[in-house]
Amino acid sequence: QSALTQPASVSGSPGQSITISCTGTSSDVGGYDHVSWYQQHPGKAPKLMIYDVTNRPSGVSDRFSGSKSGNTAFLIISGLQAEDDADYYCNSFTGSSPLVVFGGGTKLTVL
Amino acid sequence: EVQLVESGGGLVQPGGSLRLCCTASGFTLSTAAMSWVRQAPGKGLEWVSGSANTGESAHYADSVRGRFIISRDNSKNTVCLVMNSLRAEDTAVYYCAKDKHYWSAMDYWGQGTLVTVSS
Repeated sequence: QSALTQPASVSGSPGQSITISCTGTSSDVGGYDHVSWYQQHPGKAPKLMIYDVTNRPSGVSDRFSGSKSGNTAFLIISGLQAEDDADYYCNSFTGSSPLVVFGGGTKLTVL
Repeated sequence: EVQLVESGGGLVQPGGSLRLCCTASGFTLSTAAMSWVRQAPGKGLEWVSGSANTGESAHYADSVRGRFIISRDNSKNTVCLVMNSLRAEDTAVYYCAKDKHYWSAMDYWGQGTLVTVSS
């Protein structure tokens, strides 16, 4: 299993919306609805933002949403805020070895 | 409040061994699968190993299989990772994470413990 593919960086202005893609294969992203997204600020542990493609854990802002089409999952952040400036990672269950694969990460810059 | 606290990191020579442990509180460990995820300096996240809630099954990334062993003691609320034959490329912050659903949804993370493999 190879790592999932994410864009290295995206940027947007406050109030705008951005989308981060996460591309895998039919053996991971395309084969299961078990894709999650994490936010990580420098020096901090990752934080779960979306799980099972579209679900938000309690306490996560509804400005964060997820979707999937084929072998690609998407994280959408609307109404960008300065605090959204962080690294974002996707991962997916694979059902084989390794059990979980992560994307390479995307650096979101809020201009 | 759920808390995960890692311990055991440090500096080790190539070929050496280290044992990391994660102490859980605020939930019943026997109800959750647990994973170790690492992050090399300036790099992305890499899933390393996972233990099913009962401890009956263990899973590993290809990069560590045969060298790392995950174990858990639900009665002591701990999950440990024994790392043998360490290599420079194992240098990373190692995070313990609780699984919410199907291994990929890690809803709680520890603060991480740094492992440095260097002579």
